[in-house]
Amino acid sequence: DVKVTQSSRYLVKRTGEKVFLECVQDMDHENMFWYRQDPGLGLRLIYFSYDVKMKEKGDIPEGYSVSREKKERFSLILESASTNQTSMYLCASSRDVQETQYFGPGTRLLVL
Amino acid sequence: SQQGEEDPQALSIQEGENATMNCSYKTSINNLQWYRQNSGRGLVHLILIRSNEREKHSGRLRVTLDTSKKSSSLLITASRAADTASYFCATDAGNTPLVFGKGTRLSVIA
Repeated sequence: DVKVTQSSRYLVKRTGEKVFLECVQDMDHENMFWYRQDPGLGLRLIYFSYDVKMKEKGDIPEGYSVSREKKERFSLILESASTNQTSMYLCASSRDVQETQYFGPGTRLLVL
Repeated sequence: SQQGEEDPQALSIQEGENATMNCSYKTSINNLQWYRQNSGRGLVHLILIRSNEREKHSGRLRVTLDTSKKSSSLLITASRAADTASYFCATDAGNTPLVFGKGTRLSVIA
C-alpha cells in the first residue's frame, strides 16, 4: 500500500514565523503535490513537483515555496506565515500526473 | 479551468437508501476520478473512469460518465452510516495535475 505521511497533524504558529510542512511518500512516485483546503473553496493546488529539484506553480503559489531535494520528500515552506494561511494542508503523490493521487492525513495549521 | 462541480453540495439520506452525486466539467478529459474524504482526514481514491468508458462498478459504487454532456455520477447503493463523508470528483485534460471540485457532503443517518 502507498503511504504518504505528513510531519504534523496540527500546528499552531505566530504571524511572521517561518513554517515548514514535510511530506514523505514510500512508493517511489515521481509526482508530489501540495494543496490547501478551505471551507467552500475545495482543494486548491499550491505547488507540485514532477521530479527531484523540479517544481511547478499551481493555482495559488503566492506566499509559499517548496523544496524537493529527494524523491520521497516534498516540503512546503511558508516564509512568513500570515493569518490568511490558516488552513488544512494536504500532500499527495502519484506515479503519473494524471493518475490516482494518494493523500496524506493532512496538517491543520493555525496562524495566530 | 476545467474544474469539476459536484451537485448537490450536501445530501442527507437514511441508512439503506441509495445516494447519487453528480459532477459536471467544462472541457474534454482523459479520465475522471472520484475521491472520498472523512472529516478532518486526507482524500482516498475510490474509482477512475476513462473517457472511453461509460460505466464502472466497484463494490457498492457505480460510476457513469457521459462525455457528450460532460458529466459523471457516483451512485452508492444501500448506504451505511460509515459512508458519511465528502465526495469529490477530479478531472484531468492532458499532462496537467488533476483539478478537484468542491465536493458533496453526504450524511447517512442510522
